[in-house]
Amino acid sequence: GAVVSQHPSRVICKSGTSVKIECRSLDFQATTMFWYRQFPKQSLMLMATSNEGSKATYEQGVEKDKFLINHASLTLSTLTVTSAHPEDSSFYICSANGNEKLFFGSGTQLSVL
Amino acid sequence: AQSVTQPDIHITVSEGASLELRCNYSYGATPYLFWYVQSPGQGLQLLLKYFSGDTLVQGIKGFEAEFKRSQSSFNLRKPSVHWSDAAEYFCAVGSGAGSYQLTFGKGTKLSVIP
Repeated sequence: GAVVSQHPSRVICKSGTSVKIECRSLDFQATTMFWYRQFPKQSLMLMATSNEGSKATYEQGVEKDKFLINHASLTLSTLTVTSAHPEDSSFYICSANGNEKLFFGSGTQLSVL
Repeated sequence: AQSVTQPDIHITVSEGASLELRCNYSYGATPYLFWYVQSPGQGLQLLLKYFSGDTLVQGIKGFEAEFKRSQSSFNLRKPSVHWSDAAEYFCAVGSGAGSYQLTFGKGTKLSVIP
């Protein structure tokens, strides 16, 4: 079946550095990709929606300059957490929509020291 | 705006017992409804979804859910729980325009007693 690959699965970084998370659709073209954030024992909160070749649409309260999203191709979207701080530590999950189906990545646990 | 309520934060059942996880939604039009399961530190696995048609939906791993418009509910059921079902369960609603832009409930953690 269709698979969405998300890398890295876990990343630890120093405060002030930037971290890039990749989300790839492996055997289908993802017209739309979504990025979610999940705090411990909390639900998933939609951060942004990205369509290939266009600017991402961010949810209210999400800093677009902080969380840079690029969806340059139909199989790849990236989320870059810029100048990460400890409060950015969270579980980030992407999902990809293609062929009228939705698939989730396995998530990235970001820890900012 | 759409919203999802999962009233039960944590449920504990004995292995072999039946299970029902509650989900209520708020959405102005016909909703697209989903149930996902998440194991610790993992992504989400789709159990089942409802878009239209038969209101009783069969999913994977023996799960089913029933859409009740009058009650704005989409409860998840399983007749006999297995220890491997212990996980976090999320109900989600998708908007009609971008049906895969999901709003999630806060989740219900399921514990299974052997």
